[in-house]
Amino acid sequence: GAVVSQHPSWVICKSGTSVKIECRSLDFQATTMFWYRQFPKQSLMLMATSNEGSKATYEQGVEKDKFLINHASLTLSTLTVTSAHPEDSSFYICSARDWGSTEAFFGQGTRLTVV
Amino acid sequence: GENVEQHPSTLSVQEGDSAVIKCTYSDSASNYFPWYKQELGKRPQLIIDIRSNVGEKKDQRIAVTLNKTAKHFSLHITETQPEDSAVYFCAATTPYKYIFGTGTRLKVLA
Repeated sequence: GAVVSQHPSWVICKSGTSVKIECRSLDFQATTMFWYRQFPKQSLMLMATSNEGSKATYEQGVEKDKFLINHASLTLSTLTVTSAHPEDSSFYICSARDWGSTEAFFGQGTRLTVV
Repeated sequence: GENVEQHPSTLSVQEGDSAVIKCTYSDSASNYFPWYKQELGKRPQLIIDIRSNVGEKKDQRIAVTLNKTAKHFSLHITETQPEDSAVYFCAATTPYKYIFGTGTRLKVLA
């Protein structure tokens, strides 16, 4: 199957700093990227959907100025958590899909801890 | 927006018995319905999927059924084994959304 690589797999940062998470499709064109947040023992909550070259579409309740998503190329999307606070600590995971495809392929996730 | 409900939230079965997990969705534009198994801290693993033009699909001990009229789909696992114990998620997707259900924690008791 197609491979999506997400980095870093874990990160610890101080309150007030920003953290960037990268999601790369290694062997296909990721025309659409999905970003999720998952709290312990809960489901994957869709944060935003981005299409290459376009602005991301954020789900209701997700602050676009706090969670900056860039999808400037067909193989790379980034999520930047700005001015991180302890409540932003969570498991963030991306998935990517090529245009016309139905299945999305997932990155390995990033465990963010804000101290 | 799209809403995907999943039941039950927890399910315990004896080894060898069957397990059934059900999901309902709200967006009639949904056309692809994957099921995932997720281990703690890992990415979801696709176990089976079904497209909107198909009513049923089977892969060994796992099967999925889809009722488009009622907007619900189900995962069936037969002859459960201890290694089937995990958290399972359904999803309903369109070209623009990929929404997950709330999850089911399945425990297979030996």
